[in-house]
Amino acid sequence: NAGVTQTPKFQVLKTGQSMTLQCAQDMNHEYMSWYRQDPGMGLRLIHYSVGAGITDQGEVPNGYNVSRSTTEDFPLRLLSAAPSQTSVYFCASSLGQRGGTDTQYFGPGTRLTVL
Amino acid sequence: AQTVTQSQPEMSVQEAETVTLSCTYDTSESNYYLFWYKQPPSRQMILVIRQEAYKQQNATENRFSVNFQKAAKSFSLKISDSQLGDTAMYFCAFMKPYSGTYKYIFGTGTRLKVLA
Repeated sequence: NAGVTQTPKFQVLKTGQSMTLQCAQDMNHEYMSWYRQDPGMGLRLIHYSVGAGITDQGEVPNGYNVSRSTTEDFPLRLLSAAPSQTSVYFCASSLGQRGGTDTQYFGPGTRLTVL
Repeated sequence: AQTVTQSQPEMSVQEAETVTLSCTYDTSESNYYLFWYKQPPSRQMILVIRQEAYKQQNATENRFSVNFQKAAKSFSLKISDSQLGDTAMYFCAFMKPYSGTYKYIFGTGTRLKVLA
């Protein structure tokens, strides 16, 4: 059981380039989400999904796209990278059941730098 | 909209002593959940403790306990017998399950350093 995995761990892009951050979980979790972490701002929700085929925007969705074709995978796409997207990105998943046991499990993060 | 505030950007504590990290939140809901996560230098987010708002009893996990004051909307984390491995960023988070979503709202974090 690998939990939540993210690739790559580090990435450097030039402004205008596109890329996909990969996220996968093997816990059969319904709910998956993407956060970005910036100094002094905590974690902010970018996009989330409550199940395969269902996605929705979070607090800071601009410049990012997501899709959820399977329960396991939830990739995050940057279509045209900008320096403002330099950040650490975390993927998280949870069972999705209503209730206090719905703990989110986090991946190890991807540090992205946009030059 | 719900907000979570951690007013202590940095704190330090001597090894073996006790430290309390503060968290306040703002919500008009009555049913919700609160969490403390730890982020060591490895960057991995690790759940420390969780509290259901409908439970009056404060949650405890070994050396970690919370002081949950629902009326005051306060959720502080107490770390007893601090260890060097407790050095990390600590994030408070709020979650209210509604409309089938399970979004977390995080505070800005408190950086804790345990001194030898």
